[in-house]
Amino acid sequence: AQTVTQSQPEMSVQEAETVTLSCTYDTSESDYYLFWYKQPPSRQMILVIRQEAYKQQNATENRFSVNFQKAAKSFSLKISDSQLGDAAMYFCAYRSLRGAQKLVFGQGTRLTINP
Amino acid sequence: ETGVTQSPTHLIKTRGQQVTLRCSSQSGHNTVSWYQQALGQGPQFIFQYYREEENGRGNFPPRFSGLQFPNYSSELNVNALELDDSALYLCASSWGLETQYFGPGTRLLVL
Repeated sequence: AQTVTQSQPEMSVQEAETVTLSCTYDTSESDYYLFWYKQPPSRQMILVIRQEAYKQQNATENRFSVNFQKAAKSFSLKISDSQLGDAAMYFCAYRSLRGAQKLVFGQGTRLTINP
Repeated sequence: ETGVTQSPTHLIKTRGQQVTLRCSSQSGHNTVSWYQQALGQGPQFIFQYYREEENGRGNFPPRFSGLQFPNYSSELNVNALELDDSALYLCASSWGLETQYFGPGTRLLVL
């Protein structure tokens, strides 16, 4: 079974600075998807970024980018120019391409933005 | 385009009761997945429905059951509620294998 580990329960960063959230995963599969979701206090899980394992190029969405290291099974999220609205729980998630398209989530990292 | 909606937003039940949670999928989506998120934890997969058929199930007992309707909306039913069922229940919809988009969740408290 696949597992996802987020080793940083909490992180904080100054507004306008850059922060990196870590995620590692375990799988024997070669094709899969990885995601970062953001969950603000409003509770709704919001997609931040998605990475297909077969793509070598790291995904980027505006201020959000990932460092995908397939051999190391590492998938970190970098947030540049942090804004107050970025404060939330961030979850890393794995999705197999086999069977049910379920998401396997990590435990989450709580990100605080200091003004 | 209408996003994923869930009802009710909050619910309080007592142990042993039954509960039904509802989810309307995003327009154009044919797949619905349900997740349970205990306080301070990441969501756990309950089951998934694709075109009205169960398409996979996580490690949850049979008292967790579901339905998907022809319009792709879905229900999650939980019988014989236990205290540990207290959690945020999240519904996510997608078009087949594509990215899942989540609703705002239903907070269930079992007393």
